[in-house]
Amino acid sequence: GEDVEQSLFLSVREGDSSVINCTYTDSSSTYLYWYKQEPGAGLQLLTYIFSNMDMKQDQRLTVLLNKKDKHLSLRIADTQTGDSAIYFCAESSSGNTGKLIFGQGTTLQVKP
Amino acid sequence: AAGVIQSPRHLIKEKRETATLKCYPIPRHDTVYWYQQGPGQDPQFLISFYEKMQSDKGSIPDRFSAQQFSDYHSELNMSSLELGDSALYFCASSLGTGGPRNYGYTFGSGTRLTVV
Repeated sequence: GEDVEQSLFLSVREGDSSVINCTYTDSSSTYLYWYKQEPGAGLQLLTYIFSNMDMKQDQRLTVLLNKKDKHLSLRIADTQTGDSAIYFCAESSSGNTGKLIFGQGTTLQVKP
Repeated sequence: AAGVIQSPRHLIKEKRETATLKCYPIPRHDTVYWYQQGPGQDPQFLISFYEKMQSDKGSIPDRFSAQQFSDYHSELNMSSLELGDSALYFCASSLGTGGPRNYGYTFGSGTRLTVV
């Protein structure tokens, strides 16, 4: 079945790079997504990657995809205190209905 | 730009009561998704509608029902509320069912339901 897993917590110092990892099981997923959720707020789409790509860069964000291992990572360069949030990876379910399967979320703590 | 509007923002109900959550999609969006996020949990898909018809169904309890109306807004009706129903309920809307990579798939800010 469809399942997405993430490590639960990451702490970094301001200015360092953060790497958040995610594994997924649905090999038919064509798109994989990263969302950011700040306390008490909604889900903000950060970036996504198509499954035939290995890497996508968008300003401070770099997404790496290892399709063979079904492993996805999000790298945030020059992490700022404003990046402190919960980060969810998500995959579109098969069937193309737009339904998203989320991981458990990784809480990123950025220390000054 | 207009966003997805959810109402109410906060709702407190007692056990066994009913609740109705509303979602107003972005203008011209024809697809609505409902997700439930329990405390410290990831969002779980409940149900979706495309052009007023149910398009997908997830782990939605039988006590819950939903529909999409002719103006494309959607309502999630929850009956016989239980303490475990306390959660943040998100609605998202999009144009078509292709998913977030296009069609402006956008989440609302959510309704926080507390059952006491």
